[in-house]
Amino acid sequence: NAGVTQTPKFQVLKTGQSMTLQCAQDMNHNSMYWYRQDPGMGLRLIYYSASEGTTDKGEVPNGYNVSRLNKREFSLRLESAAPSQTSVYFCASSELAEQYFGPGTRLTVT
Amino acid sequence: GENVEQHPSTLSVQEGDSAVIKCTYSDSASNYFPWYKQELGKGPQLIIDIRSNVGEKKDQRIAVTLNKTAKHFSLHITETQPEDSAVYFCAASPQTGANNLFFGTGTRLTVIP
Repeated sequence: NAGVTQTPKFQVLKTGQSMTLQCAQDMNHNSMYWYRQDPGMGLRLIYYSASEGTTDKGEVPNGYNVSRLNKREFSLRLESAAPSQTSVYFCASSELAEQYFGPGTRLTVT
Repeated sequence: GENVEQHPSTLSVQEGDSAVIKCTYSDSASNYFPWYKQELGKGPQLIIDIRSNVGEKKDQRIAVTLNKTAKHFSLHITETQPEDSAVYFCAASPQTGANNLFFGTGTRLTVIP
């Protein structure tokens, strides 16, 4: 039982490049989330998926897209990376109120 | 939307002393308040939570209190140990839709041996 897994762990992109962050959970949770964590700002919600087939914007969705591929997987895509998207990205999942987080992806955009 | 404020941003205590972290929230509809511990290089881990129908909850050395009228809640760690050193986040949720969480900005706790 791995919980929530994220790939890659680290990534460096040049401005304008695209990439997809992958997230998978093996807890059969309905809801999944993407957050970004910046120094001094806590975690901010980018997008969430309340159930398979649905996605909604969170607090900071601009510059991102998501896909809920199936119940297990929820991916985050940066179409044209910008330096402002340098951050640590966390995926989480939940069935009820308690959210369980993955280990994070540290992304640097130069 | 919900706004959660957390204080202090850094806290140093001697081993064995108590630590208290405080949070306030703005949305009276919020009814779920978790606390997360984040160690260096890892994701946040849920350590305790409280719902709005309860005023206090304890789990060994950790306790959380909630004052709905004043819209604030606190984390209390007693008999602190060096392994308690981490960043702690409070959060609030109105539990609508997908139970979205709104996080405070974190408290870096250092326990000095």
